[in-house]
Amino acid sequence: ETGVTQTPRHLVMGMTNKKSLKCEQHLGHNAMYWYKQSAKKPLELMFVYSLEERVENNSVPSRFSPECPNSSHLFLHLHTLQPEDSALYLCASSQGTLYRSTDTQYFGPGTRLTVL
Amino acid sequence: AQTVTQSQPEMSVQEAETVTLSCTYDTSESDYYLFWYKQPPSRQMILVIRQEAYKQQNATENRFSVNFQKAAKSFSLKISDSQLGDAAMYFCASSTPNYGGATNKLIFGTGTLLAVQP
Repeated sequence: ETGVTQTPRHLVMGMTNKKSLKCEQHLGHNAMYWYKQSAKKPLELMFVYSLEERVENNSVPSRFSPECPNSSHLFLHLHTLQPEDSALYLCASSQGTLYRSTDTQYFGPGTRLTVL
Repeated sequence: AQTVTQSQPEMSVQEAETVTLSCTYDTSESDYYLFWYKQPPSRQMILVIRQEAYKQQNATENRFSVNFQKAAKSFSLKISDSQLGDAAMYFCASSTPNYGGATNKLIFGTGTLLAVQP
């Protein structure tokens, strides 16, 4: 596979369930990102990982737990979600230099999450 | 803080015609990048075009070109010879450089939904 892939593409879960979203990048990048896209709202940055280390957490509730085991994989673990967490969750990756990065972010196709 | 504003929630264009999507931004940085992304119904966010703020020349990519007015903080996207496959949500975004790390922060506008009429 090429680019950035995400699984599953669709997920329906109850508020008491535990599930995980998976992202994999095949671009050799060293940074990965989770975004939330809700209707009528701009994309919201959730988490940023650089070289497997979390460098940003944008005040995201603890019911969302990211994991980056290596530079190619990123997970978002979900537990006890609320209906307002229903959204499209997008993963992205980018390649930056050690000292400066404004490089382009490449996105996966997203996971459409519905919380009942 | 950086902000990106897209004032046109929806636009429509006839096939083969030209359309311009507007975007304004606000930043205190002197070094930044600007992007247009396209999100079709398949939901995949696809890079359309990228502009470095320090470059005066407007970026072009086949039928897509930008009008970058740095003093006015304006960054519009022109689509020439519109095709049915251009129908999508278009997002304008700006990127803050991160000195000392491999990441950057993208700030997105709310998007413009473009319809292409046959």
